[in-house]
Amino acid sequence: AQTVTQSQPEMSVQEAETVTLSCTYDTSESNYYLFWYKQPPSRQMILVIRQEAYKQQNATENRFSVNFQKAAKSFSLKISDSQLGDTAMYFCAFMKHNTGTASKLTFGTGTRLQVTL
Amino acid sequence: DSGVTQTPKHLITATGQRVTLRCSPRSGDLSVYWYQQSLDQGLQFLIQYYNGEERAKGNILERFSAQQFPDLHSELNLSSLELGDSALYFCASSGVAGGLTDTQYFGPGTRLTVL
Repeated sequence: AQTVTQSQPEMSVQEAETVTLSCTYDTSESNYYLFWYKQPPSRQMILVIRQEAYKQQNATENRFSVNFQKAAKSFSLKISDSQLGDTAMYFCAFMKHNTGTASKLTFGTGTRLQVTL
Repeated sequence: DSGVTQTPKHLITATGQRVTLRCSPRSGDLSVYWYQQSLDQGLQFLIQYYNGEERAKGNILERFSAQQFPDLHSELNLSSLELGDSALYFCASSGVAGGLTDTQYFGPGTRLTVL
């Protein structure tokens, strides 16, 4: 079974600054995907970024980027130029590779990020 | 907007009752997943359907059941409700071929309150 650990329950960052959220995972799978989802106060789950384990290059989506360290089983999210709208709960999630369709997501406990003026 | 719809948005009911939550996946997606988000247990996978058939099962109680219909919408049935079933229930869907088949897109959720 896979486990996902987010060791930072809460974080705070000032607007325009950079913040990094940590995530570690444990798995015996060799082929898998990692995701960051954002849950703002509206409670909607919004995909932020995804990373394929077979890719060495770190994924980037605008102000969001990841630092994927496969050997260390670490998957951190960096948010640059933080904006008030980034205030949300952030969940790290693991999914093992399946042929044909996705498999279940295993989530961490989340990090609550507050962006302040 | 993810393209996944869920109804109702809110549901308030009493212990012992039965409710049905409905989900319509994104157009073309064959897989539907149900997740439960509660304060004490976080986000947990309940069950997955793929093109009408059960594909994977997680920590789903025997009092809960689900199905996926020929038009691909899915329903999650919760019966003999207990206070602890109060939670946010999410539906997600993913595609079958091409594009990001390995990514799940979530609906807005149904907030269930059991009194």
